[in-house]
Amino acid sequence: DAGVIQSPRHEVTEMGQEVTLRCKPISGHDYLFWYRQTMMRGLELLIYFNNNVPIDDSGMPEDRFSAKMPNASFSTLKIQPSEPRDSAVYFCASSLIQGVNSGNTIYFGEGSWLTVV
Amino acid sequence: AQTVTQSQPEMSVQEAETVTLSCTYDTSENNYYLFWYKQPPSRQMILVIRQEAYKQQNATENRFSVNFQKAAKSFSLKISDSQLGDTAMYFCAFMKVNAGKSTFGDGTTLTVKP
Repeated sequence: DAGVIQSPRHEVTEMGQEVTLRCKPISGHDYLFWYRQTMMRGLELLIYFNNNVPIDDSGMPEDRFSAKMPNASFSTLKIQPSEPRDSAVYFCASSLIQGVNSGNTIYFGEGSWLTVV
Repeated sequence: AQTVTQSQPEMSVQEAETVTLSCTYDTSENNYYLFWYKQPPSRQMILVIRQEAYKQQNATENRFSVNFQKAAKSFSLKISDSQLGDTAMYFCAFMKVNAGKSTFGDGTTLTVKP
């Protein structure tokens, strides 16, 4: 399997611009997660989906952030307008929850490094 | 709510030696999973090892093994014969069965010295 695929890997943008991060989860996985990692705040769960439905978005920092999952193989995280404090590594991850004896492991993409100047 | 605590922000070890990273967690659940992830300087999060709470036997993956103490809610990671490539941040994580999301600790930065 190709693993979780994220794009872009690196993005530098100016404050106020819209940023869209993309993610393709592992085929067949039913959970998708968006995390943000910074030196100051560590690894934060922003939002996660189950079968394309958002389950918990309590980690989304503010209304400038939005996430969608239109189908089982694609998700986006959008920041509009972007601010310098949004600079971070954004990880997409996916998992398959199958009960006690299998699955249940979260697999991460390589991350999208965002710099807002 | 579950919490995961990694009490060692930084550790170092000489190449070829053994090091143990500690992790404790708090939960009222009986069935759950525990994980150790490695994050090298490339920032990729890599699964190192996984433990099912219902299994008494400690998980082992080559040079990596865990000491799972369910009653004490402790889940330490032992790295034997440390290699320079083991230099990374290590995260401990907890997941309830069928819960979907995991709770991560704050991480331990391990440096392997030549």
